[in-house]
Amino acid sequence: DAMVIQNPRYQVTQFGKPVTLSCSQTLNHNVMYWYQQKSSQAPKLLFHYYDKDFNNEADTPDNFQSRRPNTSFCFLDIRSPGLGDAAMYLCATSRAGARDMGEQFFGPGTRLTVL
Amino acid sequence: AQKVTQAQTEISVVEKEDVTLDCVYETRDTTYYLFWYKQPPSGELVFLIRRNSFDEQNEISGRYSWNFQKSTSSFNFTITASQVVDSAVYFCALRPSGGSYIPTFGRGTSLIVHP
Repeated sequence: DAMVIQNPRYQVTQFGKPVTLSCSQTLNHNVMYWYQQKSSQAPKLLFHYYDKDFNNEADTPDNFQSRRPNTSFCFLDIRSPGLGDAAMYLCATSRAGARDMGEQFFGPGTRLTVL
Repeated sequence: AQKVTQAQTEISVVEKEDVTLDCVYETRDTTYYLFWYKQPPSGELVFLIRRNSFDEQNEISGRYSWNFQKSTSSFNFTITASQVVDSAVYFCALRPSGGSYIPTFGRGTSLIVHP
């Protein structure tokens, strides 16, 4: 089944220790997004890729970086996690452009704990 | 600027009751998409429905129905004969159908269905 996959589902890291979250998709969508979601809040967009073009949200801390080596994969790097970075991280995809149908498809999320 | 308001933070019902989740939006775009997503406790956002702004027909899918009223900028979601499995957070979202493909999410409504 075509889908959005996130690994790991649960990640525990130590304060200040770099961590990488991964996302892959088999939908062949050209846009990939990373969201941060804290408890009882809406997802907050961190950045997205339109094909290879990286688009950072203005209020995304420099501590968060992303890589998209190919269409299928996208990574979220947190260089020095703080306690405030503990959250659910959601990856999503969509098809933008001529065949844009509008909706996003989300992965199951990675819940990050910072000790 | 776009805005999506879900005024109901939490709704609690007993199984088999009908429940309506409200969504009111603001946009200057003449054409746009509206969405509903479901986020069960497992964390993954699941796409439920997309509605184009030029299509005001209401839609029914099983126990789910959606009432889109452009005149009042509302896109409400009704669950008939609610079940425990409907317990989740429901998000309403909006994005223009051209140009920016980034959706604006509401804050979500937590629905709790008691047996």
